[in-house]
Amino acid sequence: NAGVTQTPKFQVLKTGQSMTLQCAQDMNHEYMSWYRQDPGMGLRLIHYSVGAGITDQGEVPNGYNVSRSTTEDFPLRLLSAAPSQTSVYFCASTRRLGYNEQFFGPGTRLTVL
Amino acid sequence: DAKTTQPPSMDCAEGRAANLPCNHSTISGNEYVYWYRQIHSQGPQYIIHGLKNNETNEMASLIITEDRKSSTLILPHATLRDTAVYYCIVRVAIVNSGNTPLVFGKGTRLSVIA
Repeated sequence: NAGVTQTPKFQVLKTGQSMTLQCAQDMNHEYMSWYRQDPGMGLRLIHYSVGAGITDQGEVPNGYNVSRSTTEDFPLRLLSAAPSQTSVYFCASTRRLGYNEQFFGPGTRLTVL
Repeated sequence: DAKTTQPPSMDCAEGRAANLPCNHSTISGNEYVYWYRQIHSQGPQYIIHGLKNNETNEMASLIITEDRKSSTLILPHATLRDTAVYYCIVRVAIVNSGNTPLVFGKGTRLSVIA
């Protein structure tokens, strides 16, 4: 199993540009989520999904959209990038809602100029 | 979720056991102790979890005191690749809401020294 994969690893955007961060898992996990990690602030939940076709907001959803058309994929879209979205983004998955043994991807380091 | 307290940093000689403490004096009866680690520039990695009995897996051992107010993560033979930030998290086993993220505090920065 490849586990949780994320692309790209690094990305630089200009303010106002849009882009999609890709996340995929091959473990048939139902629950997937996106976190952002900023220095000194730990991980903050952006959006999550409890299964294909179902998504919901986390604690910092503004400026981001998600969709879950398949069990495997959970892309994160930045609609109009802002410097405040400069961060490291992690995708995570676990077999079902509520289980705490989460598997994290390697992260995407995003810089918005 | 109960609060945890960990030392900010620790050093360990390569090949020796690394013992990482965690205090969780307000833990509830239905809360488990979870350990994750984050190696520089990588995503967090699940290590182990337990309720009240000591647990061991291929990565580490978890020792929980009888009163459950503290625990110790043991890496039996630390290597340079174990250098990372280790997070102790106290949480109920099954969370009913998807909007309840894992809360990673500041953790302990373990440096394994050759």
